[in-house]
Amino acid sequence: DADVTQTPRNRITKTGKRIMLECSQTKGHDRMYWYRQDPGLGLRLIYYSFDVKDINKGEISDGYSVSRQAQAKFSLSLESAIPNQTALYFCATSDFPRTSQETQYFGPGTRLLVL
Amino acid sequence: EDKVVQSPLSLVVHEGDTVTLNCSYEVTNFRSLLWYKQEKKAPTFLFMLTSSGIEKKSGRLSSILDKKELFSILNITATQTGDSAVYLCAVESIVYGGSQGNLIFGKGTKLSVKP
Repeated sequence: DADVTQTPRNRITKTGKRIMLECSQTKGHDRMYWYRQDPGLGLRLIYYSFDVKDINKGEISDGYSVSRQAQAKFSLSLESAIPNQTALYFCATSDFPRTSQETQYFGPGTRLLVL
Repeated sequence: EDKVVQSPLSLVVHEGDTVTLNCSYEVTNFRSLLWYKQEKKAPTFLFMLTSSGIEKKSGRLSSILDKKELFSILNITATQTGDSAVYLCAVESIVYGGSQGNLIFGKGTKLSVKP
């Protein structure tokens, strides 16, 4: 079984709708991240959480919000979706700094299309 | 074991100098190499490299990948004090038959640019 799961895997929605993307992990990691990936670009960080009570904005947080419901769950919300939020969204976890070198473990991604 | 090694670990230069940061890797199922700049808690995306020999440029920054020798360099010309940061190299690998991936970070190069 995969250690990092995302739901849904694909979603089509309309402009103005509220959308929630969910991420769950069984790795027991404290750190969780939400990234988006656009064609030709690398992973850009939206929000990250170092533990349940520590949530921080990444470089492109405008238009997004998050909720860390538990150590294992980190949800990303688009309050009012717009077409330029069409992208591939990845959730990731990390056990850094318990390990000396950070490795982030990614979910399979959620492909979101906003019409 | 997958690993990403950056050198030097730290570097002090004066404004106007040109610097070259190095990143070597040993990763199974390589997908891409990414460079990030980290000034606070979380990194901001600079470049994604997937093909050998193709230079990517953004202002005074440029980067290139050599997939045969398994390394990448990040160049910064005419450095400014605002370039002071930790520069992270990360390599994306494919696991679980492509359904998931890992992002393995190097330890970073701490660049200090003095006036």
